[in-house]
Amino acid sequence: SQQGEEDPQALSIQEGENATMNCSYKTSINNLQWYRQNSGRGLVHLILIRSNEREKHSGRLRVTLDTSKKSSSLLITASRAADTASYFCATVLRGGSNYKLTFGKGTLLTVNP
Amino acid sequence: GAGVSQSPSNKVTEKGKDVELRCDPISGHTALYWYRQSLGQGLEFLIYFQGNSAPDKSGLPSDRFSAERTGGSVSTLTIQRTQQEDSAVYLCASSSVTGGWETQYFGPGTRLLVL
Repeated sequence: SQQGEEDPQALSIQEGENATMNCSYKTSINNLQWYRQNSGRGLVHLILIRSNEREKHSGRLRVTLDTSKKSSSLLITASRAADTASYFCATVLRGGSNYKLTFGKGTLLTVNP
Repeated sequence: GAGVSQSPSNKVTEKGKDVELRCDPISGHTALYWYRQSLGQGLEFLIYFQGNSAPDKSGLPSDRFSAERTGGSVSTLTIQRTQQEDSAVYLCASSSVTGGWETQYFGPGTRLLVL
């Protein structure tokens, strides 16, 4: 079953605007990661946030994590048409024996030029 | 190449046939993962290798699915007697302690269509 649920399922914005995507999960995690997927093929790792962290930045990306609410958000600032893609959150569960990722269903982001 | 590669890129097969999907991980990555992405189920974990052994096969959907890894490198995912519900994109990923084990690097996937 899916651990993460992204919200919204689809988001359409204009170039230059900010995009915010949310992810909720159900069980205790070791870390949470965000991935991008273009055209339904390979996934690209964007950013990882550990369970003891609250916020991380990477370029135009900002990720927050609220373990009390079991939720995370991904903010993309000053969006570009090239940011158009599907974005997935993925969790690594606490106490797991390996590092397998459990993915949400994703948010389809469209950035209009 | 420097990244994870998978072959074939696309595979069309008839129901009941066997298929083999190949994954070449990043050189030196000891951990290898197979995932499946389908419209109905999203992205699902299939199997995890550490070296040549597979301590977690919990995601394999049926005994028609098997995977092996040789030499701590190349992995093959085999689907026997394919069914239409096996149609999906099969993604391989690898990671390494020295490369930051928590970050998985994905290949471009194999799109499988079972007719």
